[in-house]
Amino acid sequence: GAGVSQSPSNKVTEKGKDVELRCDPISGHTALYWYRQRLGQGLEFLIYFQGNSAPDKSGLPSDRFSAERTGESVSTLTIQRTQQEDSAVYLCASRPTSGPSTDTQYFGPGTRLTVL
Amino acid sequence: AQSVSQHNHHVILSEAASLELGCNYSYGGTVNLFWYVQYPGQHLQLLLKYFSGDPLVKGIKGFEAEFIKSKFSFNLRKPSVQWSDTAEYFCAVNGGSQGNLIFGKGTKLSVKP
Repeated sequence: GAGVSQSPSNKVTEKGKDVELRCDPISGHTALYWYRQRLGQGLEFLIYFQGNSAPDKSGLPSDRFSAERTGESVSTLTIQRTQQEDSAVYLCASRPTSGPSTDTQYFGPGTRLTVL
Repeated sequence: AQSVSQHNHHVILSEAASLELGCNYSYGGTVNLFWYVQYPGQHLQLLLKYFSGDPLVKGIKGFEAEFIKSKFSFNLRKPSVQWSDTAEYFCAVNGGSQGNLIFGKGTKLSVKP
């Protein structure tokens, strides 16, 4: 079946502009995560969605970052007034919450964001 | 707070050499541990995981890892690497009840043919 997809694959923007990143999880995966990977760093957790529950936003670095997800479908991560330090690869992962692989997160290819 | 340390930033080996990549974590409770691999131009993929039971876990492509609770370690090993193992390897620990992962900074492995 199809894996996690993300779009765009690359995004170059100017400082101060808003950007929106999209994630399509694997069908049927109720859990969805966003992570950020800055150059030379590990992945940093940003936000977690589980079905219709309130999202865990504890990893969002500032109020310029927000994310939405409708039900168990697509999620969008929005960064307002981008700064150069926002340059990173933004990764999305989804996880089933029933069946044999509930412990495994499946990652998308990421969106490489460059803020000039 | 939980954290994960990967001490080797870049490892260069010749084919057939043995591999051990270090991973240490800080957390006093029950942990779930993972190794992910990212081959050039590809997604992060799960290599292996430990939740409970036998502390020696086997993953794909001949990789294995040993959980040593007393040392807070989960080192990755492979007896004989191949050129195709060239990739970046990430150790991760389950960070909470919601399952978000805490990652190390990664170790880049380069295998010379």
